[in-house]
Amino acid sequence: AQTVTQSQPEMSVQEAETVTLSCTYDTSESNYYLFWYKQPPSRQMILVIRQEAYKQQNATENRFSVNFQKAAKSFSLKISDSQLGDTAMYFCAAGSSNTGKLIFGQGTTLQVKP
Amino acid sequence: DAEITQSPRHKITETGRQVTLACHQTWNHNNMFWYRQDLGHGLRLIHYSYGVQDTNKGEVSDGYSVSRSNTEDLPLTLESAASSQTSVYFCASSGDRPGTDTQYFGPGTRLTVL
Repeated sequence: AQTVTQSQPEMSVQEAETVTLSCTYDTSESNYYLFWYKQPPSRQMILVIRQEAYKQQNATENRFSVNFQKAAKSFSLKISDSQLGDTAMYFCAAGSSNTGKLIFGQGTTLQVKP
Repeated sequence: DAEITQSPRHKITETGRQVTLACHQTWNHNNMFWYRQDLGHGLRLIHYSYGVQDTNKGEVSDGYSVSRSNTEDLPLTLESAASSQTSVYFCASSGDRPGTDTQYFGPGTRLTVL
C-alpha cells in the first residue's frame, strides 16, 4: 500500500521569500509518480508539478521546483519568490500504474504575507 | 476548452434522504474518480471508473454508489445520507494511464447533511 505524509499542517512566508513544503511517502511500487497539487481559496485543485520516480532530475515549473530524494522517500516542494497568489493548501500525492490510483497527503496550508 | 463540471456546487439535505451529485467531463477521459475532502484527511477516494460500465470501490465507499453509462458522466449517489457524509466532494478525470497521468479536478460540491 502507498502512504503519503505531510507533516506541516500550516506554514507562512513573506512575499518574495522562498519556502519549502515537506512530503514523505512510502510505496512498494517500482514505477510510481509523485504530484503536488495546489488548492486556492476557490477550492479548484490545480496541478503544480509532476515527477516520474525513474527520472533522477528534479522537476521544475517556473518558480516551483521539487527536491526528490528517492532513497529517503522524500518529495519536497520549493516555491521561490513567493507571491500572494501562492496562498493555498498544497497536497502531495503518489500514484502508480499498478494501483491506478492517487494517494493524497493531509495537505499543508501556506499563507504568503505581504 | 475541456473541463470538468460538478453540480450542484452546494447542497443541504436531511439525514436519510437520497442525494445524487453530478460530474460531467469533456476531456474524453476513460478514467474518472470521486473523492471527499475532510480536514486532517486530505482527499480520500470513494469510487472510480476506468470506462463505461466499469466501477470500483475506493477506500471510503460505504454508503456511496456510482454508475457509468457513458464516457462523460459519473454521478455519485448517497443512498441514505448521514451526518458523517457532510464534506466537500471532488470529481476528477485522467488520461489513459490511471495513477500516473495527471488528474484534472472539478470545482467541488459542498454537501451538508442535517
